[in-house]
Amino acid sequence: DAGITQSPRHKVTETGTPVTLRCHQTENHRYMYWYRQDPGHGLRLIHYSYGVKDTDKGEVSDGYSVSRSKTEDFLLTLESATSSQTSVYFCAISPTETEQFFGPGTRLTVL
Amino acid sequence: AQSVAQPEDQVNVAEGNPLTVKCTYSVSGNPYLFWYVQYPNRGLQFLLKYITGDNLVKGSYGFEAEFNKSQTSFHLKKPSALVSDSALYFCAVRAYSGAGSYQLTFGKGTKLSVIP
Repeated sequence: DAGITQSPRHKVTETGTPVTLRCHQTENHRYMYWYRQDPGHGLRLIHYSYGVKDTDKGEVSDGYSVSRSKTEDFLLTLESATSSQTSVYFCAISPTETEQFFGPGTRLTVL
Repeated sequence: AQSVAQPEDQVNVAEGNPLTVKCTYSVSGNPYLFWYVQYPNRGLQFLLKYITGDNLVKGSYGFEAEFNKSQTSFHLKKPSALVSDSALYFCAVRAYSGAGSYQLTFGKGTKLSVIP
């Protein structure tokens, strides 16, 4: 999966708890992205980063925050998880804002 | 705003037959177009892209895609389907999102089933 890992791979949590998902890359790519995948919706962009400490919102950013303090790590935080955030989360990286390369995904269940 | 439509939720094809997965797009300016494949419980894998040049683009695993500007389409094709091609396929278009950056907008996906 193109030198990109995600952790944890699976997580079950309760409504109202904070959750942080980690994306780690070994490719030194500039651009990193967080998506969620839901049936009938395809992939939707949550947040993205175009450099260390440079981030911006995507289509479905409400309830999520991100941080990128190092080139290789991009963290996605759900401040107070809700059942509507149950989803599969994918991180992607890109060197040039053309094709993106995806991680293996994190399956998050919020009870 | 940019958009991608994959009009078929599912496509069934017999092994050995040609396959087509359809995609139409809407975007301002010249389109950058992509196809990805997702196998069960895996991330998306890049198949091919169109940026400029020849309208017929060849990619991984014997797949190709035809760019048609007048029909705003970018259909994925393969001359002879394999059972192992069964997967979820996503079309995507790159669009400018402001502040000097670009984003990919994905279609909802088409499930391809190749029947032995």
